Amino acid sequence: ELKVEQNPLFLSMQEGKNYTIYCNYSTTSDRLYWYRQDPGKSLESLFVLLSNGAVKQEGRLMASLDTKARLSTLHITAAVHDLSATYFCAVDNDSPGNSGYALNFGKGTSLLVTP
Amino acid sequence: EAQVTQNPRYLITVTGKKLTVTCSQNMNHEYMSWYRQDPGLGLRQIYYSMNVEVTDKGDVPEGYKVSRKEKRNFPLILESPSPNQTSLYFCASSFGGSGNTIYFGEGSWLTVV
Repeated sequence: ELKVEQNPLFLSMQEGKNYTIYCNYSTTSDRLYWYRQDPGKSLESLFVLLSNGAVKQEGRLMASLDTKARLSTLHITAAVHDLSATYFCAVDNDSPGNSGYALNFGKGTSLLVTP
Repeated sequence: EAQVTQNPRYLITVTGKKLTVTCSQNMNHEYMSWYRQDPGLGLRQIYYSMNVEVTDKGDVPEGYKVSRKEKRNFPLILESPSPNQTSLYFCASSFGGSGNTIYFGEGSWLTVV
């Protein structure tokens, strides 16, 4: 069974600080997704990482993927209040012979950025 | 505008009363799926569909049915809802399979009393 673990699950940080959210997963996969969810809202796709060593950046967020370590990170640089949300990583369980696939989500990291 | 549209967005119903949550996408995506989100459990896949008339179970299919008669629509059917199906439901779609960005609907809050 594919397990996806995020940590921390809760994070309170001050504006202007840097921090990293970690996503570990238990199977070989080179497809890792990061989503953002605001309270009561849908999930917004942030990054799709498709190979070992992939790095993508958008504004103050940067995501990376190390498939050998089965680890992805979401790094926040100089946090601002607007980044307060819940962040999910997800790994897809596509394997040879599967006719379909599913995203297996971590439990999410609730981020609060305070002045 | 590219959209995944779910209805209803909010529903309170009683145990045993059949209900359908509709999902429609306007992006000509082949792949559609349903997830439920529960506190402490994250999102879990209920059913998915790779194309018209092709559906399969996800991780938590018990108590649910789906159909895919048209490419754009993928309704979720609860034949006899029970309180443990109280949850937030998301429909999602993407082009093809693995490695493609998956787009999520706005969510449907369902309460079964």
